[in-house]
Amino acid sequence: GQQLNQSPQSMFIQEGEDVSMNCTSSSIFNTWLWYKQDPGEGPVLLIALYKAGELTSNGRLTAQFGITRKDSFLNISASIPSDVGIYFCAGRSNSGYALNFGKGTSLLVTP
Amino acid sequence: DSGVTQTPKHLITATGQRVTLRCSPRSGDLSVYWYQQSLDQGLQFLIQYYNGEERAKGNILERFSAQQFPDLHSELNLSSLELGDSALYFCASSVEGQGTNYGYTFGSGTRLTVV
Repeated sequence: GQQLNQSPQSMFIQEGEDVSMNCTSSSIFNTWLWYKQDPGEGPVLLIALYKAGELTSNGRLTAQFGITRKDSFLNISASIPSDVGIYFCAGRSNSGYALNFGKGTSLLVTP
Repeated sequence: DSGVTQTPKHLITATGQRVTLRCSPRSGDLSVYWYQQSLDQGLQFLIQYYNGEERAKGNILERFSAQQFPDLHSELNLSSLELGDSALYFCASSVEGQGTNYGYTFGSGTRLTVV
């Protein structure tokens, strides 16, 4: 599958801070998705993006589909302790059936 | 509860053995995807089935196989197990065959430990 580079690998922040993470691909994608995984659970879908340039929010989360179709970012505003977890980007190209996942960004939030 | 059921939650077995992981997709979903998650490799796509037929293959070893039954549940068979096969195995489901723009719904995973 296509390589997805997700950064940063981990973040350690204080409650109330904003967070930004991004994902780049070697190929063009037609769908970008962001998932969150809590310990011992499967990934849960946070935001889905379908068009280049699209900016979508879900509460304190905002994600954008890059205009080159090779990147996406996720912002979390005013972080809270329950934001702790691993965040994954995932993308699919026109020719692919399966989602390709980044290696994740591990987020730790201190009160 | 995501609606995708995976059993067992934990499995400990010895090298050389064979195990079967089971997945029941969300009601109405026709596609099942299997992923392997290890610490250093992230989520790796193994195989997809759609309505009983294999649809796509990823980085699945020859020692691994899967199938989807008429009731749409799926099984992942892992044989001649090696220490390196220790990982979390996730099943996900979606409605459509070519994946869906709405993403997949994941189960809680099976943690396999090979000793």
